[in-house]
Amino acid sequence: NAGVTQTPKFQVLKTGQSMTLQCAQDMNHEYMSWYRQDPGMGLRLIHYSVGAGITDQGEVPNGYNVSRSTTEDFPLRLLSAAPSQTSVYFCASSYKASPLHFGNGTRLTVT
Amino acid sequence: SQQGEEDPQALSIQEGENATMNCSYKTSINNLQWYRQNSGRGLVHLILIRSNEREKHSGRLRVTLDTSKKSSSLLITASRAADTASYFCAPRQGETSYDKVIFGPGTSLSVIP
Repeated sequence: NAGVTQTPKFQVLKTGQSMTLQCAQDMNHEYMSWYRQDPGMGLRLIHYSVGAGITDQGEVPNGYNVSRSTTEDFPLRLLSAAPSQTSVYFCASSYKASPLHFGNGTRLTVT
Repeated sequence: SQQGEEDPQALSIQEGENATMNCSYKTSINNLQWYRQNSGRGLVHLILIRSNEREKHSGRLRVTLDTSKKSSSLLITASRAADTASYFCAPRQGETSYDKVIFGPGTSLSVIP
């Protein structure tokens, strides 16, 4: 089992560029979520999904889009990157109220 | 969904001492989970305590849960430098349903060798 895999590990974007952060899990978890963590801060929930075709907003959804076409994948799209989106992004998944499994993160810098 | 609030936000102790951190929450829960985050890494689940349990142990970790006070505590005994990390709690409401998980600010633990 690979668990939760996030790609890329590092990314540098210019303001206004778009990109997709990938998240895949091989545990057949229905719940998947995206968080961002700024330096010295806790995690803030961006979007989450409770199954294929179902997504919902978290605490800080603006500037981000998600879709969930399969159980395994939950990509996060930045439509027009801004310096305020410089952060570390974590994807997590779980089965119902069982513990979350986290990926190793994507470190994004927007210049 | 609900958010746990960890306290204190920062804790500094000497190696070998015990570290205690607390979590408060607002509504009824099915279980409460504690996580550790080493610098720059994803969170790792440490221990889960169910609403019908009062205490649980795992190695040097001891977790208590008081549902009447809506609070939990995590005790790390005989701390080591490797315990230096941030610790987060996650109260979970549903057993058979899904609730979004929102984390609090965490407790940043520094263990000084």
